[in-house]
Amino acid sequence: GQNIDQPTEMTATEGAIVQINCTYQTSGFNGLFWYQQHAGEAPTFLSYNVLDGLEEKGRFSSFLSRSKGYSYLLLKELQMKDSASYLCAVSGTNAGKSTFGDGTTLTVKP
Amino acid sequence: DTEVTQTPKHLVMGMTNKKSLKCEQHMGHRAMYWYKQKAKKPPELMFVYSYEKLSINESVPSRFSPECPNSSLLNLHLHALQPEDSALYLCASSRTSGEADTQYFGPGTRLTVL
Repeated sequence: GQNIDQPTEMTATEGAIVQINCTYQTSGFNGLFWYQQHAGEAPTFLSYNVLDGLEEKGRFSSFLSRSKGYSYLLLKELQMKDSASYLCAVSGTNAGKSTFGDGTTLTVKP
Repeated sequence: DTEVTQTPKHLVMGMTNKKSLKCEQHMGHRAMYWYKQKAKKPPELMFVYSYEKLSINESVPSRFSPECPNSSLLNLHLHALQPEDSALYLCASSRTSGEADTQYFGPGTRLTVL
């Protein structure tokens, strides 16, 4: 089976850095996705990691440790528009099927 | 163009109605998906089509009936729904149904069943 854990809520200040963690226990692993979802909108793709290490993309970076079943999403220079839900999703061995975590709701305050 | 479109944006229907949700993409993707998302919950996979054939059905009740008329279109036919089926229905597509393929989501149809 699949088990994915993320914190439910986080709060951070505009301009700061925040790290959203995701731990997973899955029967198979073929990569981990991070999505951003604003309230009432569709999820949008942020990053994909399949190898250990850090992937940097502008203000957002994502890290993966396969041996630890652990990933994090790092958001730098936070902006108010970054207030959203961040979903961690693991791609297993069943093609086409990604399992989503419950999401972390991030609130950025002035 | 990384756009997936869905119609309608909002739908209100009674339990005896029959309605359809539509999804379209023109990215040449060969995998398309239906998800159901309740408030403050992650998307739950319902169906996956790969090369226009149904490849995954996550034990969805038969009152939901998917259809893939061609590689660009995906429909979800609704009949005799229950109030608990009220949710945001998301369509997504990806290049293939491979494990590493990013899924691109449409804006969703917000369904209310009375």
